[in-house]
Amino acid sequence: GAGVSQSPSNKVTEKGKDVELRCDPISGHTALYWYRQSLGQGLEFLIYFQGNSAPDKSGLPSDRFSAERTGGSVSTLTIQRTQQEDSAVYLCASSLASGSLNEQFFGPGTRLTVL
Amino acid sequence: TQLLEQSPQFLSIQEGENLTVYCNSSSVFSSLQWYRQEPGEGPVLLVTVVTGGEVKKLKRLTFQFGDARKDSSLHITAAQPGDTGLYLCAGRIVGGSNYKLTFGKGTLLTVNP
Repeated sequence: GAGVSQSPSNKVTEKGKDVELRCDPISGHTALYWYRQSLGQGLEFLIYFQGNSAPDKSGLPSDRFSAERTGGSVSTLTIQRTQQEDSAVYLCASSLASGSLNEQFFGPGTRLTVL
Repeated sequence: TQLLEQSPQFLSIQEGENLTVYCNSSSVFSSLQWYRQEPGEGPVLLVTVVTGGEVKKLKRLTFQFGDARKDSSLHITAAQPGDTGLYLCAGRIVGGSNYKLTFGKGTLLTVNP
């Protein structure tokens, strides 16, 4: 299908290692979002992209987290020096535009486990 | 502080029963959405409500937005096993960003055959 895809679906890493999570949005969607879903928690907003720029990075938990988007399409979320508390499902979503009535379509997520 | 409180957190019922889940806040929302999420998948949008007092129906699901736009409810009639999943409410706070969704923690519904 032509939905949002994320890779890898699962990632197990050791504490202190860096990880990269990838999101392929729906073609033509200019807005892209990253969320984190921890056990027993709702979705926590991390960052929002409009095109290649990130006007809102307010949700990134620490400077170990960064994200980029290239070509107005694929986005990568990087977590450096992973900690056990980073273990969660990382969800990506995209929408046609950023207005309030634009539906966000979610990918299946990447389940990150930090040992 | 959780801006959107959902209750109950867990709900296990038998097929054919009715149920209501709630989403409450002290903040006013310009719009509120309900999502269903199944294991290993991302949330899928069920409905968006934007007007205080609005009621929307989607087959056996009825969604209501509170008059003051601070709360919402989801009622399911004659629940079926296929309704099993995590139900999330999410909204855009008045005066906040038009792209930022605030999510509740969800209600995990299990419908037993």
